Amino acid sequence: KAGVTQTPRYLIKTRGQQVTLSCSPISGHRSVSWYQQTPGQGLQFLFEYFSETQRNKGNFPGRFSGRQFSNSRSEMNVSTLELGDSALYLCASSRDNLEEQYFGPGTRLTVT
Amino acid sequence: AQKITQTQPGMFVQEKEAVTLDCTYDTSDPSYGLFWYKQPSSGEMIFLIYQGSYDQQNATEGRYSLNFQKARKSANLVISASQLGDSAMYFCAMRRLNSGNTPLVFGKGTRLSVIA
Repeated sequence: KAGVTQTPRYLIKTRGQQVTLSCSPISGHRSVSWYQQTPGQGLQFLFEYFSETQRNKGNFPGRFSGRQFSNSRSEMNVSTLELGDSALYLCASSRDNLEEQYFGPGTRLTVT
Repeated sequence: AQKITQTQPGMFVQEKEAVTLDCTYDTSDPSYGLFWYKQPSSGEMIFLIYQGSYDQQNATEGRYSLNFQKARKSANLVISASQLGDSAMYFCAMRRLNSGNTPLVFGKGTRLSVIA
């Protein structure tokens, strides 16, 4: 059974640009969550989608958005990038929100 | 609000020895789940073990066991017979259960180094 996949694995962007990250969950998993990991703040929850609906949202500005498609694949978008957005972005999937989450390898975003 | 505290920023252990990674949590919810994840330098978070707040027995998964002490609000991870491949960051996390949809709340992590 294939695990969670994230693309791209690495990304370098310039301040002010926007970026879209993609996540494909494990087959059969309908819940997809996104987390941001930085050395200073640790792992912080961004948002969670279930059956194409955002069910929960963390404390991030509106520049961070996401969506989920009918096949459960999810994308997150960050607009007007800032230096502080440099981080590892992790996607996790589960069959529903009450079970353990399985993480992808992450996308390492560097903003210059 | 939920909070996870991992007080050991880094730990060293000799190969083949057992090691305990500490985790304490704070929550007012009666129903919650506790998780441990391993993060190697590659970045991927690997699920290790789960303990529900109402589980009577401590969870075990191969060389991993969770020492759950509910009254003390602690959920320490015990790794037996450490291997060089166990060197990684370890995160303790929790989430509310049966209370709608809640995200995982993570601790700051403990970096484990296994020495040959």
